[in-house]
Amino acid sequence: DAGVTQSPTHLIKTRGQQVTLRCSPKSGHDTVSWYQQALGQGPQFIFQYYEEEERQRGNFPDRFSGHQFPNYSSELNVNALLLGDSALYLCASSLYSPGNQPQHFGDGTRLSIL
Amino acid sequence: GENVEQHPSTLSVQEGDSAVIKCTYSDSASNYFPWYKQELGKGPQLIIDIRSNVGEKKDQRIAVTLNKTAKHFSLHITETQPEDSAVYFCAAKGKIIFGKGTRLHILP
Repeated sequence: DAGVTQSPTHLIKTRGQQVTLRCSPKSGHDTVSWYQQALGQGPQFIFQYYEEEERQRGNFPDRFSGHQFPNYSSELNVNALLLGDSALYLCASSLYSPGNQPQHFGDGTRLSIL
Repeated sequence: GENVEQHPSTLSVQEGDSAVIKCTYSDSASNYFPWYKQELGKGPQLIIDIRSNVGEKKDQRIAVTLNKTAKHFSLHITETQPEDSAVYFCAAKGKIIFGKGTRLHILP
């Protein structure tokens, strides 16, 4: 039973470029959330997708956008990259429920901006 | 705005002793409190969680307590082992907010 998988594992970009990160949820999960984790900090919630729609959003600018596909996989897109976007980007999947369900995390994509 | 504070930021305990990590939250609508363990180069792994209608939950050497009135919850690890060394994060949901983490060192 595959867990949450993310690709790529590492990525180097320059300021102003655009990047797309990918996530496949754990088998049986239908909800995907994205987090940004700066070095030495806790994960910060970016947004959550369910039924191909953004359901919740954290305090991130419009440069951060996402998409969920019919097979529940998801992409995170970041435009006009800034040096401060360097971080570990984590994807977490869960089963959608009105109550809270445990989230399972992938090992992340390490994004470095030069 | 909503906030989760976690203490201490670093904790060193002798192998076999207990470790306690504490978190406070500000959003009274929070109703789910997971704890995660993150090892180097890995994503956070859920180790235990508690919902707002429960005061305490235990799973082998790990326990979590919740005081909704005081808006704080704690992680307790007993009989610590070297493999418990990691960074631990608390989180509060309503909105999804993580603490800044506690780096736990188990000393031989």
